[in-house]
Amino acid sequence: DSGVTQTPKHLITATGQRVTLRCSPRSGDLSVYWYQQSLDQGLQFLIQYYNGEERAKGNILERFSAQQFPDLHSELNLSSLELGDSALYFCASSPLGTGGAYWSAGELFFGEGSRLTVL
Amino acid sequence: QKEVEQDPGPLSVPEGAIVSLNCTYSNSAFQYFMWYRQYSRKGPELLMYTYSSGNKEDGRFTAQVDKSSKYISLFIRDSQPSDSATYLCAMSDVGGSQGNLIFGKGTKLSVKP
Repeated sequence: DSGVTQTPKHLITATGQRVTLRCSPRSGDLSVYWYQQSLDQGLQFLIQYYNGEERAKGNILERFSAQQFPDLHSELNLSSLELGDSALYFCASSPLGTGGAYWSAGELFFGEGSRLTVL
Repeated sequence: QKEVEQDPGPLSVPEGAIVSLNCTYSNSAFQYFMWYRQYSRKGPELLMYTYSSGNKEDGRFTAQVDKSSKYISLFIRDSQPSDSATYLCAMSDVGGSQGNLIFGKGTKLSVKP
């Protein structure tokens, strides 16, 4: 158990709908990352938050948005869903420090993912 | 050309075999190299981490980085059925709170008893 909790585990919805995925990071971790995993694209970085602020953005579509709340949990909002959005969405957290050159052994602690199916 | 290339397999080996998993990359700025293991229906978990070039050994696992060839490897000795999983290489060119990892697509390994 990584200590990262994601809900829901499975979600089936229709095209055009909107869903929210939730992530609770490990206790004390300030950084939260969202990744999308599909068979053809592999694990793709979407966005990172650090202590409530957006820190890095990857291949995140404009239809997707995220935020990190004061209690450090994060939500990923996916709207106007398309068939191609069907994938596993992973949240990861990291005990990264406040910046600089320190890299905490590259360790991201991943949750078990939310499997989204768009019909 | 993708930044990180990894043969997806699947790779099937008998128990006790030596397994070699590899990734190539194109970004010469990558300095941090990792291997993650992902069991079915689970999230990836860190297996090995290497900074810059060289070898690192941890039990039955050895990670190698050759920056001149932009090539990294993971060797598994005396492979066990419990090693059956998908292995993802990952790399990064930054540290600190702005880091994010670029993953390979993963190689699915099956170790047969």
